[in-house]
Amino acid sequence: GAVVSQHPSWVICKSGTSVKIECRSLDFQATTMFWYRQFPKQSLMLMATSNEGSKATYEQGVEKDKFLINHASLTLSTLTVTSAHPEDSSFYICSAWGQGYTEAFFGQGTRLTVV
Amino acid sequence: GNSVTQMEGPVTLSEEAFLTINCTYTATGYPSLFWYVQYPGEGLQLLLKATKADDKGSNKGFEATYRKETTSFHLEKGSVQVSDSAVYFCALSPNQAGTALIFGKGTTLSVSS
Repeated sequence: GAVVSQHPSWVICKSGTSVKIECRSLDFQATTMFWYRQFPKQSLMLMATSNEGSKATYEQGVEKDKFLINHASLTLSTLTVTSAHPEDSSFYICSAWGQGYTEAFFGQGTRLTVV
Repeated sequence: GNSVTQMEGPVTLSEEAFLTINCTYTATGYPSLFWYVQYPGEGLQLLLKATKADDKGSNKGFEATYRKETTSFHLEKGSVQVSDSAVYFCALSPNQAGTALIFGKGTTLSVSS
């Protein structure tokens, strides 16, 4: 099956700094990528949808200036958490759709802790 | 709109017990249905899927049948193991290109020996 690699798996950063998370489709071209956020013991909340070469579409309530998404190529999307604060600590998961596939493929997730 | 409702957990079972986790959905059109599993500290893994009515998805002893008449996709396993302890998510894809999956809230399964 298709593989999506997310990096890093975990990161600890200081409050006020920015953190970049990468999501790569390793063996297929991802026309659309999705970013989710998961709070402890809760479900996945869709943050945004990104299509290659165009601006991301953010879900209601998600601050686009805080969570910057760049889908610069068909195999890479990045999520940058800007000026991170402790309340941004969470598990972030990306997924990717490719043409011809009937399912989305998920990255391993990134555990972000802001101290 | 589209939505997924799955039974609240946690579900606590003894090893070799029978498992059912209920999942119902609301959707327009003809969605695909999925079960994902998440082990502690890890990402999501696809467990099984069904793309049309009456399809049965199966994997690792787990099964789920796409029931359009009852809008359900219940997950079952005849004999659970301790290693099955995880969070299980039912999800729906509206089958429109570039549309995100819609997840249920997740059900935590805990199996003891």
